Amino acid sequence: GQNIDQPTEMTATEGAIVQINCTYQTSGFNGLFWYQQHAGEAPTFLSYNVLDGLEEKGRFSSFLSRSKGYSYLLLKELQMKDSASYLCVVKDSNYQLIWGAGTKLIIKP
Amino acid sequence: SQTIHQWPATLVQPVGSPLSLECTVEGTSNPNLYWYRQAAGRGLQLLFYSVGIGQISSEVPQNLSASRPQDRQFILSSKKLLLSDSGFYLCAWSRASGHTGELFFGEGSRLTVL
Repeated sequence: GQNIDQPTEMTATEGAIVQINCTYQTSGFNGLFWYQQHAGEAPTFLSYNVLDGLEEKGRFSSFLSRSKGYSYLLLKELQMKDSASYLCVVKDSNYQLIWGAGTKLIIKP
Repeated sequence: SQTIHQWPATLVQPVGSPLSLECTVEGTSNPNLYWYRQAAGRGLQLLFYSVGIGQISSEVPQNLSASRPQDRQFILSSKKLLLSDSGFYLCAWSRASGHTGELFFGEGSRLTVL
């Protein structure tokens, strides 16, 4: 079967750095997305990786290793508004999206 | 710029009543359209997707149906709601093939079936 694993919940301190890991087992691979979802709201796109390596976008970076079936989302200089769920999503060989359950990130002052 | 809007934002319905959620996209043509449901603590579940007017693919057998009467309009319906239909429903669009497939979501509709 197809599976996305990410931690259920993480806690970090304002101003710090946090890394949210995602491992996947899917039928093929055609890209990996990270979305941010604030409580009660719709997900919004953060990043897309299709090749191995690091993609940086401001305070957020996303890393991919296809051989390991592994990705992480790195958030720097954490702000209170970063408190949200972060969803790891893989596009499989049929271009279907497989969604992780999300990691709830709690930021403390 | 492109926008997506879905409504209503919240609704409380009795078991056995009908349902209609509507979604419209502006600023783009021939989008791929999707209906997802999100249950607490679980990943998004794809219910329906459409690549064109009148073309609907169902991913999960259920008592829900979808229609696309116009290029940028997508409707989710049910004739008789079940308790298990409660959840957060999300409409989304993406550009046609050849792009990354990034999804743009509507605001979401929270349905409670009593």
